[in-house]
Amino acid sequence: AQSVTQPDIHITVSEGASLELRCNYSYGATPYLFWYVQSPGQGLQLLLKYFSGDTLVQGIKGFEAEFKRSQSSFNLRKPSVHWSDAAEYFCAVANFTGGGNKLTFGTGTQLKVEL
Amino acid sequence: KAGVTQTPRYLIKTRGQQVTLSCSPISGHRSVSWYQQTPGQGLQFLFEYFSETQRNKGNFPGRFSGRQFSNSRSEMNVSTLELGDSALYLCASSYGTSGGDTGELFFGEGSRLTVL
Repeated sequence: AQSVTQPDIHITVSEGASLELRCNYSYGATPYLFWYVQSPGQGLQLLLKYFSGDTLVQGIKGFEAEFKRSQSSFNLRKPSVHWSDAAEYFCAVANFTGGGNKLTFGTGTQLKVEL
Repeated sequence: KAGVTQTPRYLIKTRGQQVTLSCSPISGHRSVSWYQQTPGQGLQFLFEYFSETQRNKGNFPGRFSGRQFSNSRSEMNVSTLELGDSALYLCASSYGTSGGDTGELFFGEGSRLTVL
């Protein structure tokens, strides 16, 4: 069965500093990977996705992620964090068993930004 | 284009009652999925519907059920509510195809259920 691990529950960074959120996945085939962000009281917003091709993918709000098959990782990065980036971030892998679509999420990383 | 709309946004029920949550997907989307989010268990998949048929189901008891209508709108129902059912219930939609889609889900803001 597929799984996603986000080893960091909480991360605090200063505004303007760089950010890297870690994500490791377990999936038998080529994974479809996603990063979502959730602000308090809100739903999930898609930041970026990886299906195939270029292993460095660009997303919204200046985020990017790199897929590394050898390390089973899909880490999220941002060169300079803004206070508005404070939120919870979820990594997910898609499973198309049965012709449908089911996302397995990691436990999330809560990002705090210090001004 | 309107996003995924969930109603009600907040509701309070007591143990033993039942609840129905509604989800209107993005226009043109035919797949609707439901997820439960709790602090302890995180985001867990409940079920997915496509063309009025349940295509996938998560590991939840039979008290959790859903359906999809011909206009792709979906409802989920929880019967005999328990305290542990308190959660944020998120609906997500996607284009969907008969053979699966690209996995990109668009989420609503959720329905927050509190069971007393």
